[in-house]
Amino acid sequence: DGGITQSPKYLFRKEGQNVTLSCEQNLNHDAMYWYRQDPGQGLRLIYYSQIVNDFQKGDIAEGYSVSREKKESFPLTVTSAQKNPTAFYLCASSTGAAGNTIYFGEGSWLTVV
Amino acid sequence: KQEVTQIPAALSVPEGENLVLNCSFTDSAIYNLQWFRQDPGKGLTSLLLIQSSQREQTSGRLNASLDKSSGRSTLYIAASQPGDSATYLCAVAGDSGGSNYKLTFGKGTLLTVNP
Repeated sequence: DGGITQSPKYLFRKEGQNVTLSCEQNLNHDAMYWYRQDPGQGLRLIYYSQIVNDFQKGDIAEGYSVSREKKESFPLTVTSAQKNPTAFYLCASSTGAAGNTIYFGEGSWLTVV
Repeated sequence: KQEVTQIPAALSVPEGENLVLNCSFTDSAIYNLQWFRQDPGKGLTSLLLIQSSQREQTSGRLNASLDKSSGRSTLYIAASQPGDSATYLCAVAGDSGGSNYKLTFGKGTLLTVNP
């Protein structure tokens, strides 16, 4: 089935550790995105990529890093520099500009312990 | 900076009632507006996409309208069902800065439809 796969679903991290969240899509979409969602809040854009080997910072990029080496993959690394990383992370993709319908994965819960 | 506000934050209705969810945005230079549904602990599902040149879109029992000049959109749900219970999020693409890739989200409306 076509879609977006995020893994792991749940992840616990000790303070000071980096962690990488995986996002894979088989929709042949050019654009991919990472959002963060905190309880009772809307989504905030961390990074987005319009095309392979290119990505731009969103509103809250500090403490995060990404890569886009393959069209279908857009992993997000939460570094130890991110001061409050506990959140729900959502990956998304679209055929082009965000003006087209955007499809989301099921999300990854990250808890810092 | 684009800001999106959704009212009410929560809504509880009896099954069968028609209801309206509201969304407002501060910068009218949008590319489009989307309504999403989110079930607890899940990702988002796109419900309706309205391009900036359109006034409304319909899908089944859902109807979304857009008044770009006043910065408002409504999502109308007819004959609500318990399965409609979820959080509904509004998002706009684009702003005066020209970035069509950036979606700005509201905080959502938590809808509960009681049997």
